Amino acid sequence: GAVVSQHPSWVICKSGTSVKIECRSLDFQATTMFWYRQFPKQSLMLMATSNEGSKATYEQGVEKDKFLINHASLTLSTLTVTSAHPEDSSFYICSARSDGGRYEQYFGPGTRLTVT
Amino acid sequence: GNSVTQMEGPVTLSEEAFLTINCTYTATGYPSLFWYVQYPGEGLQLLLKATKADDKGSNKGFEATYRKETTSFHLEKGSVQVSDSAVYFCALSTQGGSEKLVFGKGTKLTVNP
Repeated sequence: GAVVSQHPSWVICKSGTSVKIECRSLDFQATTMFWYRQFPKQSLMLMATSNEGSKATYEQGVEKDKFLINHASLTLSTLTVTSAHPEDSSFYICSARSDGGRYEQYFGPGTRLTVT
Repeated sequence: GNSVTQMEGPVTLSEEAFLTINCTYTATGYPSLFWYVQYPGEGLQLLLKATKADDKGSNKGFEATYRKETTSFHLEKGSVQVSDSAVYFCALSTQGGSEKLVFGKGTKLTVNP
C-alpha cells in the first residue's frame, strides 16, 4: 500500500526557534498533501491543504506566517513552525493524496513537537 | 458546523468479545463517512467508508452502516482479536472523496487475550 513518512518522529526545541517537519510519500506521487494538528485527547484538526507547486490553503484560525508550508515536489511537503512557543507543542500529522482516482488520503505516523 | 462525536474510551475487551464504538455526526448536506484505525507507531489507515444513506462499509470483519435518520455510523465487530488493539477514529467529509476530513476524538481499544 501507499506509504507516507514523517521526519522527525519527535522534536524538542526552545521557545523562539523554528522547526521544520518533513512529510514524504514514498511510493506514489502526492499532488495534494494535508497537515493536521492533534492535541491530547482531541480530534485531528486540519490546518492546511497544499498542492504541489502552489501556495497552501489554510483553514480559518491558522496563522500562515507561523506555520509555513512548502510543497515543492510531488513527494515532499514541509511544515515549518516559526518562532515556536510552548502553546505550539502538539502532535502534527500529514497525509498525502494522489489523483489516481480513489482520492484516499494516506497518513504519516505523526511528529511530536515539544517547545520548552 | 460539521462535527463528529464518538464514544470516549478507553475500551478494554477480552478476545472474541463483541465490539461497538458509537459515532454520531452533524453535517450540512450529505457527508461521506469513514472509520480510520491507527495501530501503535503507525499512521492512520482507512478501515471502511460509506458514501450514502443505508450504505454498509465493511473490512477485516468490521462493519458500519450509514444511518441518516439517526445521523450515526457505529463501528461493530463480532469477535475482536488482540491484533485489533488500536485507536479508532470516525470521520466525515462533505466534499466527496476524502478531502476536508472532520474527525472525532478517537477511541482507544485494547483487546486482552
